[in-house]
Formats: sequence, structure tokens, C-alpha cells
Amino acid sequence: QSALTQPASVSGSPGQSITISCTGTSSDVGSYNLVSWYQHHPGKAPTLMIYEDTQRPSRVSNRFSGSKSGNTASLTISGLQAEDEADYYCSSYALSYTLMFGGGTKLTVL
Amino acid sequence: EVQLVESGGGLVQPGRSLRLSCTVSGFTFGDYGMSWFRQAPGKGLEWVGFIKSKLYGGTTECAASVRGRFSISRDDFKSIAFLQLNSLKTEDTAVYYCTRGTYQFEYWGQGTLVTVSS
Repeated sequence: QSALTQPASVSGSPGQSITISCTGTSSDVGSYNLVSWYQHHPGKAPTLMIYEDTQRPSRVSNRFSGSKSGNTASLTISGLQAEDEADYYCSSYALSYTLMFGGGTKLTVL
Repeated sequence: EVQLVESGGGLVQPGRSLRLSCTVSGFTFGDYGMSWFRQAPGKGLEWVGFIKSKLYGGTTECAASVRGRFSISRDDFKSIAFLQLNSLKTEDTAVYYCTRGTYQFEYWGQGTLVTVSS
């Protein structure tokens, strides 16, 4: 199984917007509206930020948004804040009832 | 309040076995699938596998990297999910997390550290 493809790192200044991409295939990202995004601060439990491609849990700031086009999903963070600095992972339900997971993207707030 | 607590981690020699437990509270355990992830030192999160609820057959699936060595089970009466780690390798050293669900994970435990070393 190949992992979903994410950039290794992205960066932005406070107040700016950044987008993290997550590229899969027509057997996972492109077939199901089941892409999720997770924020992970080292040493802590991961946090669900986006589910079902675009849905945001009520406790998550509306600065976080998800989108998808074809086999590529994206996470956009607007109004970057220092606390957003973390690792971000995408995942997708996949054919044959398995899970595809991204390699992670390190977000640095400059 | 939903809580997941992992236990059973520790120092183990290569080739030996270990069983991790994930004890949950705050929701009806039997209604949900459960998954395991891990994070090796300096590496990203890695999906290890899941077990579906009995309603969906209780079937399991594991990542190719651990298939044949790791297995997942559950005890719905005690609200515990298990991850059995066999034939451990040094590269299995990681923090292991359990989480509720099989493709979408809102609730996570704090993790338990497994160190494989001679």
C-alpha cells in the first residue's frame, strides 16, 4: 500500500494562509468523501481537524478548512497563528475497506 | 467524557512479544471500530490497523509493515481493545496510540511507549 502524498514541510508567517495538499488515487481520495485531517503536536494525542473532506468539528477553529478536487485533497489554514505549528496528516478510506494515511507535513510558523 | 487509555508498553527484547491494551469509557464500546497507530522516534504517524465492531463482522486489517506479526482483538464486555505485538523488531520502537473508529478518528489515547532493544 502506498501512502497518500503530502509535502514534507510548509511554512508561513503569522496572519498568512497556507495550504497542504494530499494526493491519492481514484481508489481512495478520488472515490470517497472520507478524507480526514489531523493536527499532531509532538508528545500529545492527535486532533481531528477536518472529516468527510470538508466538515469541521465544532471545537475546531473556522480558520481551518478542507477541500478536494479529483484525487487531491487540501487543508487550508487561514490567519496563521503560532499555535498552528505542528505536524499535519491526511487520511482516506480506501478500496478494500482499508485506510490510506499520509506521510505528514511539518508546518512552521515563521 | 470519552476517554481512551493505553497500557502495556515497556522495554522488550527483539523477537519477544507484548500485548497492548486500550481501555475506554464514555461511550458504548461495542458500537465502534477501534484502530491503532504508532509514531517511531523522529518519524511520522503510521496506521497500524483496525478492528471493526461486531455489527460489521469484527474483522481486522493491518498495515503491510506489521501484517503477520501484529494482531488486533477486542473484549466488548470489558471495553478493551488489544494490540498483540509478536516477533518484535527494533524498528517497532514507537509510541502506540489507540483511537476510536476505522477511517475517521475523533478520540485518541495519550499513547504508550514500546521500546524494542537488547
